Amino acid sequence: GQQLNQSPQSMFIQEGEDVSMNCTSSSIFNTWLWYKQDPGEGPVLLIALYKAGELTSNGRLTAQFGITRKDSFLNISASIPSDVGIYFCAGPPTFMNYGGSQGNLIFGKGTKLSVKP
Amino acid sequence: DADVTQTPRNRITKTGKRIMLECSQTKGHDRMYWYRQDPGLGLRLIYYSFDVKDINKGEISDGYSVSRQAQAKFSLSLESAIPNQTALYFCATSEPGTSGRSYNEQFFGPGTRLTVL
Repeated sequence: GQQLNQSPQSMFIQEGEDVSMNCTSSSIFNTWLWYKQDPGEGPVLLIALYKAGELTSNGRLTAQFGITRKDSFLNISASIPSDVGIYFCAGPPTFMNYGGSQGNLIFGKGTKLSVKP
Repeated sequence: DADVTQTPRNRITKTGKRIMLECSQTKGHDRMYWYRQDPGLGLRLIYYSFDVKDINKGEISDGYSVSRQAQAKFSLSLESAIPNQTALYFCATSEPGTSGRSYNEQFFGPGTRLTVL
């Protein structure tokens, strides 16, 4: 089935640094979603992308829908301590793997952001 | 008040016990989902429901069952819990498919941490 591969798996940030992460697939996706999960909480939607090449911002976060439709990038500028957490990319499977209905999502395994010791 | 609530937030049980996890939402969404999260594996879809009369299996439905009691309520049952079902469980909701794209944007509850001894 379709898979989303996120990199890096984990990274350490120092306050003020810019952070970049990406999500790739061997298959085409028509929608890319980026979620953040804080410890002990459910994932929260950060940015949704619907068009190849689209660049969308949400505060210090910027995400792009790759032109090939097989990747997406999330950048965080001037990171702050509350940016720590796990960032997931997600998208609806293009081929009907899960019962043939739209609205189901595949998730990457996440990129974990931690503070540099 | 939270839009998507899950009860209980934490549960410890023994192998062989029947367990029910409940999810309620006030978002008025028709679609509801149950996911399981294991460390390093991201979120995997267990079951989903697009309306009260619609139930569909997800990627990892074996050992689980669900009930959609009303538009706002979707429960997940483990008929005979086993230790490898120890995980975080998340309920999510989304709008129905329309000419827009919002049905891909899922909103998550805070999760239930289940431990099976």
